Amino acid sequence: KNQVEQSPQSLIILEGKNCTLQCNYTVSPFSNLRWYKQDTGRGPVSLTIMTFSENTKSNGRYTATLDADTKQSSLHITASQLSDSASYICVVSGGSGYALNFGKGTSLLVTP
Amino acid sequence: EAGVAQSPRYKIIEKRQSVAFWCNPISGHATLYWYQQILGQGPKLLIQFQNNGVVDDSQLPKDRFSAERLKGVDSTLKIQPAKLEDSAVYLCAGAKEFTGELFFGEGSRLTVL
Repeated sequence: KNQVEQSPQSLIILEGKNCTLQCNYTVSPFSNLRWYKQDTGRGPVSLTIMTFSENTKSNGRYTATLDADTKQSSLHITASQLSDSASYICVVSGGSGYALNFGKGTSLLVTP
Repeated sequence: EAGVAQSPRYKIIEKRQSVAFWCNPISGHATLYWYQQILGQGPKLLIQFQNNGVVDDSQLPKDRFSAERLKGVDSTLKIQPAKLEDSAVYLCAGAKEFTGELFFGEGSRLTVL
């Protein structure tokens, strides 16, 4: 069964600190892995898309890594800001028909 | 470039009533998805269209949910009759191609009383 597991479920950090969110998946065959940011009451917005051959990708203060061998990805947020408070969703494309498999998300709260 | 438009943003109905949501994706986005997102969970696919054809509706509760994309552009999702457990945000997303980046709308929040 194709699954995407994210950890931690929720996280609270102080403004200015760094944090790392984890995504483990069992989706096979693998097509790509995406990280989305979803602000409260808004639709998800894409942060990065990574294919099999990419093991790191940055978007400003967000850096995603991918280890296709261990089927793990991480999203590292540097120098967090209050506006980073959101849910971060990992989505893995693959399996039958290149289906999109969503994780449940990690809820991040950045406090002053 | 205009984003994905969804309406209404909020809807409150009583159980057994009906509701319809509308979505207009970004121009040129042939692939369109409807997702249901229950509070605290990731989006769950309801239906996927490629132009005006259905690609995947395996998780759509067809006894009460229906969706159409008649001209391959905008789409409607209908629930009739609604149940309490249908309370959720209904997200519409589009993509240029099958494996491309998804662009989501702001969602339609449904509360069933």
